[in-house]
Amino acid sequence: EVQLLESGGGLVQPGGSLRLSCAASGFTFSSFAMTWVRQAPGKGLDWVSAISGSGASSYFADSVKGRFTISRDNSRNTLYLQMNSLRAEDTAIYHCAKVKDASYYFYGMDVWGRGTTVTVSS
Amino acid sequence: DIQMTQSPSTLSASVGDRVTITCRASQSISRWLAWYQQKPGKAPKLLIYKASTLESGVPSRFSGNRSGTEFTLTISSLQPDDFATYYCQQYNDYTWTFGQGTKVEIK
Repeated sequence: EVQLLESGGGLVQPGGSLRLSCAASGFTFSSFAMTWVRQAPGKGLDWVSAISGSGASSYFADSVKGRFTISRDNSRNTLYLQMNSLRAEDTAIYHCAKVKDASYYFYGMDVWGRGTTVTVSS
Repeated sequence: DIQMTQSPSTLSASVGDRVTITCRASQSISRWLAWYQQKPGKAPKLLIYKASTLESGVPSRFSGNRSGTEFTLTISSLQPDDFATYYCQQYNDYTWTFGQGTKVEIK
């Protein structure tokens, strides 16, 4: 079964850091780009970051550029999101999602994890 | 940056109704639009990609269409399981943007 399982969320003070993990199973992890998408309480979906299958290329939304980094360990089938300088507006459920196609990014995201909750508050 | 304007934000409908949700892109995105369904407390589910291609396992009552920069998701006959929030998503130049969402409620 194809599955994504996020972990690492929690309560952190403004200005703090947190590292999220996403464990993948059931597919050839290294062949697919992966993304992080967040959802603030009661709000819509918001794309955060993406990384190529090899890990050589990464992309970020303007709202997190310079504060967040994305990485992956293909030997462990795990995706990461390092979040620094956290702000109250980063409070959200963070989902990892698999890009549908191994060659092209524009076919959408076909597998999603249930998410991990990040709360930024003093 | 490309903006996606989705409408309506809320839609009240009855079982059996035909419903249409619209997403308009601020500039050309070719066919690179996907639609998702999300139920409370659950992860989003891919319904349609490449504007009109149905994801495997998705019922045929769902369909997508494109006219220029305007995209529509249509549910031909609304079923009880379809009451949820729907999002469009565009892809362009290594950036993804979601629409604001449309909540489909029971009338």
